Amino acid sequence: DAGVTQSPTHLIKTRGQHVTLRCSPISGHKSVSWYQQVLGQGPQFIFQYYEKEERGRGNFPDRFSARQFPNYSSELNVNALLLGDSALYLCASSLERADTQYFGPGTRLTVL
Amino acid sequence: AQSVTQPDIHITVSEGASLELRCNYSYGATPYLFWYVQSPGQGLQLLLKYFSGDTLVQGIKGFEAEFKRSQSSFNLRKPSVHWSDAAEYFCAVGRNTGGFKTIFGAGTRLFVKA
Repeated sequence: DAGVTQSPTHLIKTRGQHVTLRCSPISGHKSVSWYQQVLGQGPQFIFQYYEKEERGRGNFPDRFSARQFPNYSSELNVNALLLGDSALYLCASSLERADTQYFGPGTRLTVL
Repeated sequence: AQSVTQPDIHITVSEGASLELRCNYSYGATPYLFWYVQSPGQGLQLLLKYFSGDTLVQGIKGFEAEFKRSQSSFNLRKPSVHWSDAAEYFCAVGRNTGGFKTIFGAGTRLFVKA
């Protein structure tokens, strides 16, 4: 069975640019969540989407936005990139809104 | 505020020795509890979870964890460590408020020596 997939695997951007990260959940999963993992730390919650609606948001600035499509895939957008946005961005999917989350391999974003 | 504490930043054990990774949480209600493992440059793999019921839960790769409400702990154990177990281990609490979010500890890096 295919797990959570994310693209791209790696990305290099410069300060001020915009980035879009993509996630496909496990088949049948309706919820997608996004996490940011800075080197040496545990992942931090950014967003949860369930049935195409935002259901939760972590303590991140408005430069971060996301959406979920009818096929339950999701995009995370980050505007006006800062050096501090360099991190591993993880997508997780779950069958229902409050359920075990299964993580993808992540997208490594480097901002120069 | 809810939090997860993993007191050991890193632990070194010999191959074949037993392992216990500590985790304490701060949460008002009965929490959803998880242990995840992360190999270098990889995503997170779920080892086991506790939602309710039997407080001793079995996971993959021979791991188990015990929920102790009185101590607010959810320690991870393995009777005999293999070199392939070397990785970063994260304890996490699932919180169902304002969206279901998983709150992670800072992680414990496990080193295995031959």
